[in-house]
Amino acid sequence: IAGITQAPTSQILAAGRRMTLRCTQDMRHNAMYWYRQDLGLGLRLIHYSNTAGTTGKGEVPDGYSVSRANTDDFPLTLASAVPSQTSVYFCASSVGTNTGELFFGEGSRLTVL
Amino acid sequence: AQSVTQLGSHVSVSEGALVLLRCNYSSSVPPYLFWYVQYPNQGLQLLLKYTSAATLVKGINGFEAEFKKSETSFHLTKPSAHMSDAAEYFCAVSVMNTGFQKLVFGTGTRLLVSP
Repeated sequence: IAGITQAPTSQILAAGRRMTLRCTQDMRHNAMYWYRQDLGLGLRLIHYSNTAGTTGKGEVPDGYSVSRANTDDFPLTLASAVPSQTSVYFCASSVGTNTGELFFGEGSRLTVL
Repeated sequence: AQSVTQLGSHVSVSEGALVLLRCNYSSSVPPYLFWYVQYPNQGLQLLLKYTSAATLVKGINGFEAEFKKSETSFHLTKPSAHMSDAAEYFCAVSVMNTGFQKLVFGTGTRLLVSP
């Protein structure tokens, strides 16, 4: 079982370019999340989805968009990348209950120049 | 709003010594609390979770944590550190909002283990 698959693992991007980070899960979890990890700030929630067809904003949603066309896929798009979006991005999924564990992908390291 | 605070961005111990990583929470309702570990260049993995059953929770790799309501704490301990425990550790609280779960993470504590 692969769990959560993210792509690409690493990317260098020019400012102003559009970029989509891909995330696929094979656990049939209802809920999916995108976090960014920055030194000294921990993980901050960007967007989430509690089921296919619905999405919501997290703590730091500006400059990012997501879609949830089906249960398995949850891509994150940067419409016009800026240097402050340089970060490591983690996709995660859970069954969505209060006591449920989040399962994380291995991350996508994005550098915006 | 629910939140967690991790005291100390770095903790250094010698191999075989006690590991103590501190986490305090803020919550207006009974919290569900988690500890995750992140090894270099990997995603986060669940170490243990508190879900209002036993206050002393045992996790993987010999780690445990005790929920203390009077101190609003959920500190992570291990009696004897191994070199392989070197990693970053995150405390998190589960927030239910309109029937949907989100995890709010602390800023993390990097554990360094010396021979």
